[in-house]
Amino acid sequence: EAGVAQSPRYKIIEKRQSVAFWCNPISGHATLYWYQQILGQGPKLLIQFQNNGVVDDSQLPKDRFSAERLKGVDSTLKIQPAKLEDSAVYLCASSFRVAGELFFGEGSRLTVL
Amino acid sequence: QKEVEQNSGPLSVPEGAIASLNCTYSDRGSQSFFWYRQYSGKSPELIMSIYSNGDKEDGRFTAQLNKASQYVSLLIRDSQPSDSATYLCAVNEGRGSTLGRLYFGRGTQLTVWP
Repeated sequence: EAGVAQSPRYKIIEKRQSVAFWCNPISGHATLYWYQQILGQGPKLLIQFQNNGVVDDSQLPKDRFSAERLKGVDSTLKIQPAKLEDSAVYLCASSFRVAGELFFGEGSRLTVL
Repeated sequence: QKEVEQNSGPLSVPEGAIASLNCTYSDRGSQSFFWYRQYSGKSPELIMSIYSNGDKEDGRFTAQLNKASQYVSLLIRDSQPSDSATYLCAVNEGRGSTLGRLYFGRGTQLTVWP
């Protein structure tokens, strides 16, 4: 069974530039999550989708972050404009049925200079 | 803001010893609890889930839950150097089979030395 796919793995940009991350969840997993993990901290939920509907985006900085999940499968997370404090690993995860039993992708490491 | 607290460590134990990792949570209504392991530079992977008070054993791992004390722990018996990683405690406000936000602690860094 293929795992959660993410790209790009690494991205370096300057502040005020934009960046987009892509995620393809495990086939059949209806729930998709984007987490932000800053070095030395636990993952923080940014947005949670159930199929193509948003379940929770209360911690998403909506002035600069946006996310979509078209057709209930792939998802894209965008940051525009980026700030220095956005430097982090962006983790995509999916789950089949049980909330909390998540399968994570390898992550996309963002460095904002 | 719901909190999940973990001792960040580092926790250092010799090979073959028992490693004990602890976690407390603030939301008394939390229903499901998870331990994830994260190797350096890698993504978290689920190693244990527990939903009821008491102990749950899986190989060398035992999760313990005490909802009255809002406390969950992970014991690793016969620790191996390959267990060296950061262990993340995660708590879900919803019941196990429904949607809910998963709150993660900061993680406890474990080092097992030969």
